[in-house]
Amino acid sequence: SSELTQDPAVSVALGQTVTITCQGDSLRSYYASWYQQKPGQAPVLVIYGKKNRPSGIPDRFSGSSSGNTASLTITGAQAEDEADYYCTSRDSSGNLLWLFGGGTKLTVL
Amino acid sequence: QVQLQESGPGLVKPSQTLSLTCTVSGDSISRGGYFWSWIRQRPGKGLEWIGYIYFSGTTYYNPSLQSRVTMSVDTSKNQFSLKLTSVTAADTAVYYCARGATSLDDAFDMWGQGTMVTVSS
Repeated sequence: SSELTQDPAVSVALGQTVTITCQGDSLRSYYASWYQQKPGQAPVLVIYGKKNRPSGIPDRFSGSSSGNTASLTITGAQAEDEADYYCTSRDSSGNLLWLFGGGTKLTVL
Repeated sequence: QVQLQESGPGLVKPSQTLSLTCTVSGDSISRGGYFWSWIRQRPGKGLEWIGYIYFSGTTYYNPSLQSRVTMSVDTSKNQFSLKLTSVTAADTAVYYCARGATSLDDAFDMWGQGTMVTVSS
């Protein structure tokens, strides 16, 4: 099906490691990209391609992919990482369109 | 530093046409390797891809909105635009323009700050 599925909410203790996942058939053909969105702000790209970080994104953010699942891992979560995280990828069903996951709200405890 | 800035009315009446423009600064919209997108976010909801346009004018739209969406590009002004017809309250959202980069595996690497559009009489 043409959709990306994310857990609605995840929490992590300060300084610990958390993984946010994104599942969908399109991820077997295309890489996911990941975006961080804080309240009232535009999304910011944090991971793209196989596991690339744009300049300025801390190296505690990393990405991986296996089969139909893409993952965003934050190693040593900081208070400022509390945000919504969205995955996206191209649709592989033959439609030239982009899919967004429903988003995961990350709470840093 | 590339910047994108949305502009347009913040209030549109039901059944009318929503029109937004995205002005790109810091780089030419005609430079290859990029596609220029509109993405929206309904209040309290997730992101929804509306469509994109290349500097050549080639467009691709979300099938769910295709019958109501038109995008255009004005390379002389370094702008691209969105028109959404026959709007309803369900079109109330923050509308973002964003740049997609083929060199970044089609990720959206630059975003405008977003503009809130309310559909109401």
